[in-house]
Amino acid sequence: QVQLQESGPGLVKPSETLSLTCTVSGYSISNGYYWGWIRQPPGKGLEWIGSIYHSGSTYYNPSLKSRVTISVDTSKNQFSLKLSSVTAADTAIYYCTRGEDWFDPWGQGTLVTVSS
Amino acid sequence: DIVMTQSPGSLAVSLGERATINCKSSQSVLYSSNNKNYLAWYQQKSGQPPKLLIYWASTRESGVPDRFSGSGSGTDFTLTISSLQAEDVAVYYCQQYYSSPYSFGQGTKLEIK
Repeated sequence: QVQLQESGPGLVKPSETLSLTCTVSGYSISNGYYWGWIRQPPGKGLEWIGSIYHSGSTYYNPSLKSRVTISVDTSKNQFSLKLSSVTAADTAIYYCTRGEDWFDPWGQGTLVTVSS
Repeated sequence: DIVMTQSPGSLAVSLGERATINCKSSQSVLYSSNNKNYLAWYQQKSGQPPKLLIYWASTRESGVPDRFSGSGSGTDFTLTISSLQAEDVAVYYCQQYYSSPYSFGQGTKLEIK
């Protein structure tokens, strides 16, 4: 059974960089699939941030592309998200997930608040 | 970019009754070469991550009760719950994966009447 778990700081200061890691268990990232990040502002809808293949090939939402970097570490079976120059608008629950079409499964999500 | 619009925004249905949620895409998500609609449905219960219910517009994910069904083609899609159960209270989202950036509807909140 594939499981994903997000980790990282829950509070980030404005203008700084948000960094999260997703640890995958029950499946080796090296075996394939795209792996991605989706966020959800409190009480709002879902926004796809971007995805990465095990080879490192990435594609991002153009609305965030200038600030986003997604990377993969197959040796640790992890992939990561960096979002730079954050503002209060980046406050959200951040989910990691598997998929390049539909997304399944999802991690439990981690709330990241941007505040000084 | 493809914009997904769901209706209604919220819905209250009696237990055992049918619930219908609509999703409309700003352009067709039907890929002509394989005749597949690139659309998925998710259920998100309070405090939980979304759960995949349906993909290819009408294929139920393994383990999803058969009271959930998806239909539609092109730009207009429907998620139907044939007989509402108490555990179906949730927010439901549609998502297109026809083209990047992948996009979701704004969600439909389903409650018990």
